[in-house]
Formats: sequence, C-alpha cells, structure tokens
Amino acid sequence: RKEVEQDPGPFNVPEGATVAFNCTYSNSASQSFFWYRQDCRKEPKLLMSVYSSGNEDGRFTAQLNRASQYISLLIRDSKLSDSATYLCVAHNYGQNFVFGPGTRLSVLP
Amino acid sequence: ETGVTQSPTHLIKTRGQQVTLRCSSQSGHNTVSWYQQALGQGPQFIFQYYREEENGRGNFPPRFSGLQFPNYSSELNVNALELDDSALYLCASSSRDSLITGELFFGEGSRLTVL
Repeated sequence: RKEVEQDPGPFNVPEGATVAFNCTYSNSASQSFFWYRQDCRKEPKLLMSVYSSGNEDGRFTAQLNRASQYISLLIRDSKLSDSATYLCVAHNYGQNFVFGPGTRLSVLP
Repeated sequence: ETGVTQSPTHLIKTRGQQVTLRCSSQSGHNTVSWYQQALGQGPQFIFQYYREEENGRGNFPPRFSGLQFPNYSSELNVNALELDDSALYLCASSSRDSLITGELFFGEGSRLTVL
C-alpha cells in the first residue's frame, strides 16, 4: 500500500464548476501536509499547506482530518488555468516529503 | 523561476550504461533532494543531501548514488541502467524553513530515456 494515495482522475469539469480532490495517508506519524500543483511537463510547485483547522487561499480550500488520515482540496469557480495535476504531500519532521501519485484536472471551456 | 537548475534536460542511454545528472541549488539552500517521477506517477524520493552528507534514502538500489559539493550543488549517478529507470529526475532545493513551510524548490528536471 502506498503511503499517500489519491484518485488519479482525470477530473474533467466545466469552467466555473466546483471540484474536490481527496487524499489519504497511511503513516500516522506524518505531521505536515501540503498540496502541490504540477503543470504538464513542468516541475511541481507548492500550492498550499493543509491545517487541521482548514485553510483557504482565494478559490482554494484545504482540509485535514487527522482521525481519518484524510486530506482534501476544494477548488471553487474553476478556471481553465487550473488544469494541472494536483499532488498531495505528507511530511514527517526529520524525514522526507512523500508525494502521492497526483490527481489530474482538466477544466473545459 | 526557482533558481534551481538541472542538466542535462534530456538524454537517451542504453541498458547497462551509466548516467550522471547535475543540479545547482537555490542560493542559501543547503539541502538537495532527488526524486524520480515515472510517467503518470508522483515523484518518488531517492535520497537527500545536507551539508555534503546523505541524510535519508528512499527505496532505491545502491546503483543510485549521489554527491553534494561544498557549494551545495549535487549529482545523481545511476549505474547499470535498466529500462525502468526511464523517468523524469527532479532535484529539489530547500532550507531549514522548508520543514515548516513545506516548500521544496524544484528544478525543471532531467528526462532520461533508457533504450
């Protein structure tokens, strides 16, 4: 079983739609969580951190449920430019960052 | 631009050959991590170097080796190449702050094809 799992998608949604991605992690010692975005044939870039209290950055909302070992990312009012692969990342202090396989999103006009 | 540069950007090798990939970290960063990303997969951690010492290793065989130099640049060496080594190899530069911010600064990667 992979340490971080995601639905690979692809998610094909129309512009303006709301879309949610889920992620689960198996290492209960993981302490920090993040979402990265990777455009086609480009390097991953940090999108946002994930906190238990939930955090919002514009149209993006991330949530962490430690009891269920579950992380989510919600994108509201999808834009064409949101088309990318979204990588869920878990980190245990002192250890490496563990990336999930990614969920591919295509926002259609 | 992350300030992390990798070379070469693309290369083709045959099975059994050896390859060296290079990475220059962002100014002020003393930690370099290497990741392998196969097509359609997420980046898989190979190893990390901190102040010229290996500081963590993923589930990769010993034929994957590395170095970090005094200027914090790094090399990834892969011996006895196999077809399954075909992937994008990503270098990520970070500082102590990354442990808190979660921000790894990736280079654009070296795309290796093994025939």
